[in-house]
Amino acid sequence: GIQVEQSPPDLILQEGANSTLRCNFSDSVNNLQWFHQNPWGQLINLFYIPSGTKQNGRLSATTVATERYSLLYISSSQTTDSGVYFCAVERTGFQKLVFGTGTRLLVSP
Amino acid sequence: GAGVSQSPRYKVAKRGQDVALRCDPISGHVSLFWYQQALGQGPEFLTYFQNEAQLDKSGLPSDRFFAERPEGSVSTLKIQRTQQEDSAVYLCASSATGLTEAFFGQGTRLTVV
Repeated sequence: GIQVEQSPPDLILQEGANSTLRCNFSDSVNNLQWFHQNPWGQLINLFYIPSGTKQNGRLSATTVATERYSLLYISSSQTTDSGVYFCAVERTGFQKLVFGTGTRLLVSP
Repeated sequence: GAGVSQSPRYKVAKRGQDVALRCDPISGHVSLFWYQQALGQGPEFLTYFQNEAQLDKSGLPSDRFFAERPEGSVSTLKIQRTQQEDSAVYLCASSATGLTEAFFGQGTRLTVV
């Protein structure tokens, strides 16, 4: 099956810092989503981004499908950004999301 | 409703007991998915419905797991004769179609004792 690797696995930031999270996948996809799982376990949709670039406030994402990677940028981080960030891909021809290994982010005041 | 709703939020079951977990998808969403998330891991696919048809059940770990969506809206995941390794968070997601953005419920945390 498709492999989805995220890096870094863990990240500690001071409030106000910027960061880049990466997601690599091993096969062609027709759907890619970024999620934030908060400390209560809720998966919050950040971006639906099979290709191109999107921005939403302090967050932005870029997917280069031909090179099989996606990047999530967090600027001016806040303590509420803490949690686990997952990318998930839907492989072409398959109707299910395969989740990456996750990046655990801790933002300290 | 406004989002995907799951119930119960928490369930403690004695080993060997049967459990039923409910998912109310976003109104009008055709596709519905169940995922299992073990502690410290990412969610893993269990099964997929398009309307009432179960099109993929390749992720169900054993024949003790059964899912249904008889009228193409609400879905139930049933686990028979629960075992300790079934302890996990069970997540439900829905999407307008199979190739559009998926939205997740808050999950049901199952603990088997």
